[in-house]
Amino acid sequence: DAGVIQSPRHEVTEMGQEVTLRCKPISGHDYLFWYRQTMMRGLELLIYFNNNVPIDDSGMPEDRFSAKMPNASFSTLKIQPSEPRDSAVYFCASTTFAGSGYTFGSGTRLTVV
Amino acid sequence: QKEVEQNSGPLSVPEGAIASLNCTYSDRGSQSFFWYRQYSGKSPELIMFIYSNGDKEDGRFTAQLNKASQYVSLLIRDSQPSDSATYLCAVSRGTGGFKTIFGAGTRLFVKA
Repeated sequence: DAGVIQSPRHEVTEMGQEVTLRCKPISGHDYLFWYRQTMMRGLELLIYFNNNVPIDDSGMPEDRFSAKMPNASFSTLKIQPSEPRDSAVYFCASTTFAGSGYTFGSGTRLTVV
Repeated sequence: QKEVEQNSGPLSVPEGAIASLNCTYSDRGSQSFFWYRQYSGKSPELIMFIYSNGDKEDGRFTAQLNKASQYVSLLIRDSQPSDSATYLCAVSRGTGGFKTIFGAGTRLFVKA
């Protein structure tokens, strides 16, 4: 099992540009979570999906953020336009309904300059 | 009040000692409790989960839960330098199908 796969590992972009982060969950995991981690705010839940359907997006900071899950093996988190305060490590995690805890991907370190 | 509170540390213990990490939570409807370890620059990895009041042991790790006091702890026996990491307490209202709220983490240093 390759685990949860995220890409890219690092992203440096200029303010105002569009950023797309990608995630492939573990096969058979029907729940997918996007978290953001910063020193100031820790790990914050942005949005999560069940069977490709968004269940709770209350953590999405504003309309500049959007997430999709077109199929069971792929999800994207898009920021448009990006701002310096979006700089953080973005983690994707997956699990099953009865799962005990999450498996996290390696994360994407985003720097907006 | 934060939903999940931890002492940020750093907590420093000598090699071979017991490290005690604590966590309190505010949601009385919480049913599942987790401890994750996160090495610097890496992603969180699950080390323990507990659902019932009392103690749960797994190797050198013991998780303790007291729902009445809304308190969770993690004990690490015979601490090793490789245990040096940030430990995240996490709380959920259910199993995997429920969102999990994370504490800010406690940094642990184990001195050789």
